[in-house]
Amino acid sequence: EAGVTQFPSHSVIEKGQTVTLRCDPISGHDNLYWYRRVMGKEIKFLLHFVKESKQDESGMPNNRFLAERTGGTYSTLKVQPAELEDSGVYFCASSRMGGESSPLHFGNGTRLTVT
Amino acid sequence: AQSVTQLGSHVSVSEGALVLLRCNYSSSVPPYLFWYVQYPNQGLQLLLKYTSAATLVKGINGFEAEFKKSETSFHLTKPSAHMSDAAEYFCAVSRASNTGKLIFGQGTTLQVKP
Repeated sequence: EAGVTQFPSHSVIEKGQTVTLRCDPISGHDNLYWYRRVMGKEIKFLLHFVKESKQDESGMPNNRFLAERTGGTYSTLKVQPAELEDSGVYFCASSRMGGESSPLHFGNGTRLTVT
Repeated sequence: AQSVTQLGSHVSVSEGALVLLRCNYSSSVPPYLFWYVQYPNQGLQLLLKYTSAATLVKGINGFEAEFKKSETSFHLTKPSAHMSDAAEYFCAVSRASNTGKLIFGQGTTLQVKP
């Protein structure tokens, strides 16, 4: 099966601009997660979708970040306007519904640099 | 609140030597613990997980980890390092085994010298 796909792989934008990151989960995976790793820090949870519904968005840093998953397939994460501290690697992960036999599959991440 | 501490941001071993990557956790509920590995330019890959079935957990690529409740530790070991083990390793904790909401440690970069 195809893995979790994220694009772009790299994005360099100026402060104040808008960027949209995309994640295509593995087909049939209802759970979709976004994580972020700021340089030198740990990977942190941003939010969790179950199909098209936001199950938990407790990790979203502020209202400049907007995540969507229309139709319960791919997801986008928009940052508007971007700030310097938004630089980092954004990871997407997906899994099937159900118990311990549903491991999390991660994408390769999008490296965002805000200058 | 749950948290994870990985001791040592960089660990260097010689090929064939023992690998020991340290992880300590803090949790007010029985934890579920994970080790992930990230090879260069790739996503995170699950190495192994502890879900209370057995304290010694065997994972992929010859890695294993032992859950020690008295020490609140979940250290990752491999008897003999290969060059291909060079990567960044992350310890993580969650409240349930079937959730993808993980709390990660800061990561440990493993260097393997020939």
